[in-house]
Amino acid sequence: KQEVTQIPAALSVPEGENLVLNCSFTDSAIYNLQWFRQDPGKGLTSLLLIQSSQREQTSGRLNASLDKSSGRSTLYIAASQPGDSATYLCAVLYNTDKLIFGTGTRLQVFP
Amino acid sequence: EAQVTQNPRYLITVTGKKLTVTCSQNMNHEYMSWYRQDPGLGLRQIYYSMNVEVTDKGDVPEGYKVSRKEKRNFPLILESPSPNQTSLYFCASSLGRGQETQYFGPGTRLLVL
Repeated sequence: KQEVTQIPAALSVPEGENLVLNCSFTDSAIYNLQWFRQDPGKGLTSLLLIQSSQREQTSGRLNASLDKSSGRSTLYIAASQPGDSATYLCAVLYNTDKLIFGTGTRLQVFP
Repeated sequence: EAQVTQNPRYLITVTGKKLTVTCSQNMNHEYMSWYRQDPGLGLRQIYYSMNVEVTDKGDVPEGYKVSRKEKRNFPLILESPSPNQTSLYFCASSLGRGQETQYFGPGTRLLVL
């Protein structure tokens, strides 16, 4: 069964810390992996998209890596800020055209 | 502005009363899909569409219907809603099969009494 797991489920850190959010997936036959941010009561905003042939993507303070062989992706957030507080979701697009989401990591960055 | 819109944003209805949630995108995207989000279960795909007149079931299609008569619109239909369909629903679109970034609508919160 194709599953996506995110650890930890919740994280609370002081401002300025560097963070790593983890995503693991079963079945390495993927097209891509995408990281999203969801603010309370809002839709999802795409942060980074990594194609299956890529190892990492960077955007500003965010860096996402992909290791297909081990079924893992990490989202690295540098110098966290209170505005980074949100739920972070990873989603894997499998070759079956199914997009499977993890249950998310709820991040709180306090001043 | 490039966007995905959903209507209504909030809806309270009763069991058995047919309803439609509309979804529209203005980016000329081929791929559109519907998800529901429930606490502890994350987002689950209901239906998706690769192009006009092409739709396929996702992971949780039971109790839902969709249609794709035009490229920009992808309505979600609940013929006979039940309380277990109370959820937060999202529509999304992307340029192609899913190899590009997916854009999400703001969500529709549905309560079925």
